[in-house]
Amino acid sequence: GQQLNQSPQSMFIQEGEDVSMNCTSSSIFNTWLWYKQDPGEGPVLLIALYKAGELTSNGRLTAQFGITRKDSFLNISASIPSDVGIYFCAGPSGGSNYKLTFGKGTLLTVNP
Amino acid sequence: SQTIHQWPATLVQPVGSPLSLECTVEGTSNPNLYWYRQAAGRGLQLLFYSVGIGQISSEVPQNLSASRPQDRQFILSSKKLLLSDSGFYLCAWSFGWQWNIQYFGAGTRLSVL
Repeated sequence: GQQLNQSPQSMFIQEGEDVSMNCTSSSIFNTWLWYKQDPGEGPVLLIALYKAGELTSNGRLTAQFGITRKDSFLNISASIPSDVGIYFCAGPSGGSNYKLTFGKGTLLTVNP
Repeated sequence: SQTIHQWPATLVQPVGSPLSLECTVEGTSNPNLYWYRQAAGRGLQLLFYSVGIGQISSEVPQNLSASRPQDRQFILSSKKLLLSDSGFYLCAWSFGWQWNIQYFGAGTRLSVL
């Protein structure tokens, strides 16, 4: 089945630094989603991308839909302690109208 | 607006006991409903999904079952829990033309001892 390779697996940064993470696939996606999961909570949708090349911002977060449609990037600027959590990329599973494929997540730790 | 409720938030059960986790969605009709399990290693594993009342698709054969007795109610069950059933269980929903955007509940932390 489809797989999403998300990197890095974890990041340890200082408050105020910028963060960049990415997600790649061997197959084409027509939608890319980015979720954030706070410790002990369910994932929350941050950004949805629908078109190749699309660049979308949500506050300090910016995500891009790669031109090849096989990758996506999430950037966080000027990180703050509440950015701590696991960030997941996701996209529709091939051959299914209802399922998503998720990356394994990037664990972000922000040191104040 | 739509909301999703999941309960209980935490549960400690002995091995061999039954399980029933409930998820309900408010503010929408005929949602697609999903059960995921998240082990300590972070990945989300899809267990079951349903696109209508009484319709259940199973993704991973295991000790669990799911049912959808009402349009906006999704139940995860087990007759006899195993130690390996421990984990964080998440319910999610999606709807209509935005079927590929799923919204998650707060999760249930299950510990089987």
